[in-house]
Amino acid sequence: DIVMTQSPDSLAVSLGERATINCKSSQSLLYSSNNENYLAWYQQKSGQPPKLLIYRASTREPGVPDRFSGSGSGTDFTLTISSLQAEDVAVYYCQQHYFTPYTFGQGTKLEIK
Amino acid sequence: QVQVVESGGGVVQPGKSLRLSCAASGFTFIRFSMHWVRQAPGKGLEWVAAISYDGSTKHYADSVKGRFTFSRDNSKSTVYLQMNSLRPEDTAVYYCARGDAITGYLDYWGQGTLVTVSS
Repeated sequence: DIVMTQSPDSLAVSLGERATINCKSSQSLLYSSNNENYLAWYQQKSGQPPKLLIYRASTREPGVPDRFSGSGSGTDFTLTISSLQAEDVAVYYCQQHYFTPYTFGQGTKLEIK
Repeated sequence: QVQVVESGGGVVQPGKSLRLSCAASGFTFIRFSMHWVRQAPGKGLEWVAAISYDGSTKHYADSVKGRFTFSRDNSKSTVYLQMNSLRPEDTAVYYCARGDAITGYLDYWGQGTLVTVSS
């Protein structure tokens, strides 16, 4: 199984500042036939189901604010929130959607400093 | 609009069975895979199972393989998760989610249903 490891486990950032969450996979998520990386990011606010933010490493789901961006390739990926808003407080998960089982990272808790 | 609604959760004794249902609406059901993801209290997300658009292909996490069975009824736009030989470690909120037509990212999630396995 592919192991997904996020860092840090928790993060406190000031409003308006940049937040960066990293995700590392134990195997490459790059599908050579189309040069796409099969990595997704989800946001889960307290008491709510997860919400898809990013898929294929960098494609933003419709309706997701453009302050959220995804980058990376192969085994190393990053979710960046360019200017943190109060409503971004949540736990963020990466997930590889290349091979079953479609494993998740352990989550990163994002708070306001 | 797209909706997925889970039902069937509850309290069950270890070793017993439970069947979860997930009713979908607002999209062409037969074109999408469906998934179950669970979240134990205070813990992270664990992908549980997936079923292809036509039900011909199923995948399971090792933790549930041989005990859980995923099925779908495309005439009812509904999927089912039959959970047998339940263990205390199966206690979690179970989310049903729509999967991408090609790969396994999950674009619509239900609110979840809580399964508690306890004597």
